[in-house]
Amino acid sequence: GQQLNQSPQSMFIQEGEDVSMNCTSSSIFNTWLWYKQDPGEGPVLLIALYKAGELTSNGRLTAQFGITRKDSFLNISASIPSDVGIYFCAGGFVNNDMRFGAGTRLTVKP
Amino acid sequence: GAVVSQHPSWVICKSGTSVKIECRSLDFQATTMFWYRQFPKQSLMLMATSNEGSKATYEQGVEKDKFLINHASLTLSTLTVTSAHPEDSSFYICSANGGTSYEQYFGPGTRLTVT
Repeated sequence: GQQLNQSPQSMFIQEGEDVSMNCTSSSIFNTWLWYKQDPGEGPVLLIALYKAGELTSNGRLTAQFGITRKDSFLNISASIPSDVGIYFCAGGFVNNDMRFGAGTRLTVKP
Repeated sequence: GAVVSQHPSWVICKSGTSVKIECRSLDFQATTMFWYRQFPKQSLMLMATSNEGSKATYEQGVEKDKFLINHASLTLSTLTVTSAHPEDSSFYICSANGGTSYEQYFGPGTRLTVT
């Protein structure tokens, strides 16, 4: 079953606003990944984090691997309509086992 | 790089028939492939993990005799839904990694509708 708590479950924001979502777990992970899924498609990898404290950016996206290795957040700055979709976090264990969060559904109003 | 394809992208079948879905890694060798199921507006549910040349490991509650997985080569895994029923209608997504990385790369998904 799910071992990650991802929040918020959904967000409705105005174009241009910043977005923040996070994932927490009671387990320690070796890696955190963030994916985006557009409707009717498979998830696409956005950012991969491998070290506690690591902060990585990909364009307007920034993600951080929490110091405790039990959490991660994803920020999107200056949102645009094409940011709409479902964002999933995923935590990885030492044996390459991955667990996914329930997803954050983002709606951006023009 | 790291492109995964799925075929077909959508399929409609009659109840009682079997359907095979293919997952291919196009530009890397996938030592491990994963099969997920996703219901509308829900998260990804891992069904099984398969390593090339060995039997798949199924998640609890997933019937291995109903969802047959074959990972015969480093670039191809197949999922066969046997004796499909309407409740098997779902979005099936595969992913793959190259073994040295946690990063899973997903296929575009296959929408199965059983009538």
